Amino acid sequence: DIQMTQSPSTLSASVGDRVTITCRASQSVSNWLAWYQQKPGKAPKLLIYKASNLASGVPARFSGSGSGTEFTLTISSLQPDDSASYYCQQCNKYPYTFGQGTKLEIK
Amino acid sequence: EVQLLDSGGGLIEPGGSLRLSCVDSEFTFSSFAMNWVRQAPGKGLEWVSQITSSGSTYYADSVKGRFTISRDNSKNTLFLQMTRLRAEDTAVYYCAQGRDEFDPWGQGTLVTVSS
Repeated sequence: DIQMTQSPSTLSASVGDRVTITCRASQSVSNWLAWYQQKPGKAPKLLIYKASNLASGVPARFSGSGSGTEFTLTISSLQPDDSASYYCQQCNKYPYTFGQGTKLEIK
Repeated sequence: EVQLLDSGGGLIEPGGSLRLSCVDSEFTFSSFAMNWVRQAPGKGLEWVSQITSSGSTYYADSVKGRFTISRDNSKNTLFLQMTRLRAEDTAVYYCAQGRDEFDPWGQGTLVTVSS
């Protein structure tokens, strides 16, 4: 199985900060990588697909990059509503696997 | 507007069986692959199973041989038949649409396996 490792596990930042979350795959997943945002008690929401494509309705401050084994999710200017957990997911090979998550807190 | 509605969760004893359902309010249900993803209390997301639009099925190793995914396109409904349930199957189960990335998701249904 492909292991997905996110860093950091927790992150605290201020409104307006630029924030980056990293996701590493144990083998190449090409660009078959998605990012999700999840708020407490809610279902996950798709943010980025195929590594760098912004999902419909997602604010432009979110962006994704990378290919192969290393990927990043960047929030260019952190907003209070961005307080949530973030997960990467590889969809290159079954079984699909998620990273362990990054909890983002607003200072 | 709710598109995917999960149901069927509840409290079940270890070794028992349960069937989850997910109804899609859109008429494009048959064109899309569908998935079940679960989240144990306080933990991360775990992909469980996928059924493609053509009916091919895939499972996580942790549920293979115990869970069966199926779909009824005439009723726009996805199912997950769960047997030989274990305490570690306790989780919120979400249905989600898509072969690669998942969008949208249902609201989730809680399955608790406990005596």
